[in-house]
Amino acid sequence: GAGVSQSPRYKVAKRGQDVALRCDPISGHVSLFWYQQALGQGPEFLTYFQNEAQLDKSGLPSDRFFAERPEGSVSTLKIQRTQQEDSAVYLCASSLGRAVNTEAFFGQGTRLTVV
Amino acid sequence: GESVGLHLPTLSVQEGDNSIINCAYSNSASDYFIWYKQESGKGPQFIIDIRSNMDKRQGQRVTVLLNKTVKHLSLQIAATQPGDSAVYFCAERPGGYQKVTFGIGTKLQVIP
Repeated sequence: GAGVSQSPRYKVAKRGQDVALRCDPISGHVSLFWYQQALGQGPEFLTYFQNEAQLDKSGLPSDRFFAERPEGSVSTLKIQRTQQEDSAVYLCASSLGRAVNTEAFFGQGTRLTVV
Repeated sequence: GESVGLHLPTLSVQEGDNSIINCAYSNSASDYFIWYKQESGKGPQFIIDIRSNMDKRQGQRVTVLLNKTVKHLSLQIAATQPGDSAVYFCAERPGGYQKVTFGIGTKLQVIP
């Protein structure tokens, strides 16, 4: 497919479990972003990669959240010891370039429910 | 099904009418602004953008207006169609940064 792909589409985790969310960006896209969207809210920035380098992780809410993009393409967002407040849709976006006004394309998101 | 529109401001318009969605932004250092459309169960979709050195930009059926004096953005949709029903978010980027900050969304309901 030509778009950003995220998996799984839905994830239910018991409180305390670790989860890993995958993002396949559009091929060749340099920039990759993760956002968290709570129900009825706008997306909130988590972290940004330029190729394999994580240049901004200021939005990660705690040290239980960890993101990586080891080869500059696929990215994984890992949440350790999940808590109920982690329940949200996690969105990934990618853009072709580094320029500020480069259009970002979003995936459909992974809906995480912590029970 | 999923809803991104719970408890959001709602704008209801008749099919064929023009829609105007407003947004106040907070960061005076922002120099790039984007409007996104988000349908239920989907990620945000880029609609139109504008740089801070402009006050108006037009696309297909959409126009964005920027008033930096009062830090206000608006999105105008001409001849609104049922397919325009969605939640609309404005977003801003401060100069030199990739991080995008989304505003409070507005749910647009088009009445056939």
